[in-house]
Amino acid sequence: NAGVTQTPKFQVLKTGQSMTLQCAQDMNHNSMYWYRQDPGMGLRLIYYSASEGTTDKGEVPNGYNVSRLNKREFSLRLESAAPSQTSVYFCASSVPYEQYFGPGTRLTVT
Amino acid sequence: QKEVEQNSGPLSVPEGAIASLNCTYSDRGSQSFFWYRQYSGKSPELIMFIYSNGDKEDGRFTAQLNKASQYVSLLIRDSQPSDSATYLCAVLHASGGSYIPTFGRGTSLIVHP
Repeated sequence: NAGVTQTPKFQVLKTGQSMTLQCAQDMNHNSMYWYRQDPGMGLRLIYYSASEGTTDKGEVPNGYNVSRLNKREFSLRLESAAPSQTSVYFCASSVPYEQYFGPGTRLTVT
Repeated sequence: QKEVEQNSGPLSVPEGAIASLNCTYSDRGSQSFFWYRQYSGKSPELIMFIYSNGDKEDGRFTAQLNKASQYVSLLIRDSQPSDSATYLCAVLHASGGSYIPTFGRGTSLIVHP
């Protein structure tokens, strides 16, 4: 079992570029989440998907979109990257409430 | 806005001592509480969860919950240098039919030999 996987591990974007962060889990979990973590801050929820076919906004959704492609995969898209989106992004899945995190994507927007 | 407050630290304890990490939360209706450990540059990992008032023990770790005071704590007995990490408190609250975690900013723990 790989658990929760994320790609890429690192990414550098220029302002205005777009990209998609990929997340997959092999634990048959219904719920999946995207967080960002900035220095000195806790984890802030961007979007979540309680089950396949549903997505909802979290605390900081502006500038992001998500797709729950199937039960395994939950992607996060930045349509027009901004320096304020420089952060570490974590994907997580849960059953029912305990969360299991992926290794993270370190994103820098210049 | 649901809030979860933690002292950012760092909390410094000698090896072998008890480390006490504290967390308060604002939503009186919260039912589930979690502690995650995060090593520098790594992802958070779940170490304890507690749903009922009182204490829950797992090895060297004890989680304590007091819903009346809206307070949850984590005790680490016989602290080891390998326990040095940031500890994140998370509180689950109901939102539109789902249960959403809110994380505190974390407490940095340093265990020195």
